[in-house]
Amino acid sequence: DADVTQTPRNRITKTGKRIMLECSQTKGHDRMYWYRQDPGLGLRLIYYSFDVKDINKGEISDGYSVSRQAQAKFSLSLESAIPNQTALYFCATSDPSANLATQYFGPGTRLLVL
Amino acid sequence: SQQGEEDPQALSIQEGENATMNCSYKTSINNLQWYRQNSGRGLVHLILIRSNEREKHSGRLRVTLDTSKKSSSLLITASRAADTASYFCATQGAQKLVFGQGTRLTINP
Repeated sequence: DADVTQTPRNRITKTGKRIMLECSQTKGHDRMYWYRQDPGLGLRLIYYSFDVKDINKGEISDGYSVSRQAQAKFSLSLESAIPNQTALYFCATSDPSANLATQYFGPGTRLLVL
Repeated sequence: SQQGEEDPQALSIQEGENATMNCSYKTSINNLQWYRQNSGRGLVHLILIRSNEREKHSGRLRVTLDTSKKSSSLLITASRAADTASYFCATQGAQKLVFGQGTRLTINP
């Protein structure tokens, strides 16, 4: 969905490096989410934010942190990357006042940690 | 842990045939959603069914929900090559969506 963008689309980094994945949306949604997907698996929730002042841990938050800079921006950081954080990362948004919290996904960031 | 479990994990059929995927879940839900993911890309919402609904249609898609059995099915009729993708069910509880592991659907020409 072009309304949700993620940068970078691909990233290779080394163990121990700090990296940031960024997500921007033009949908005007208050709620934003970060997920990771591993090969052959579904999505697991890392963090979510229901508004600018609200940050919540998801199922697998250890090793990650987030920042909600504005309604439209939600960044995910890996403070010290490790190889098992190699995965496909997705940002998503939703507007619960509209269609019962249907989520709209970005194109994903493919991360490889060496 | 994942709420939804999907069956089968992989399905391969001929173009024009119908494809049925099933999803089971464990706890009470507000609604259940189905998403499609083309290889390596973001998920796209297909259809949502509320907990008080039993069946819903959208184009070639038909979704059923049986809350007594905690299960849902997605039927794609008259399949096309472009339907080749992974399909995920997602259950909506109080605040979050929880995704299943998905069914990989391959449509053979």
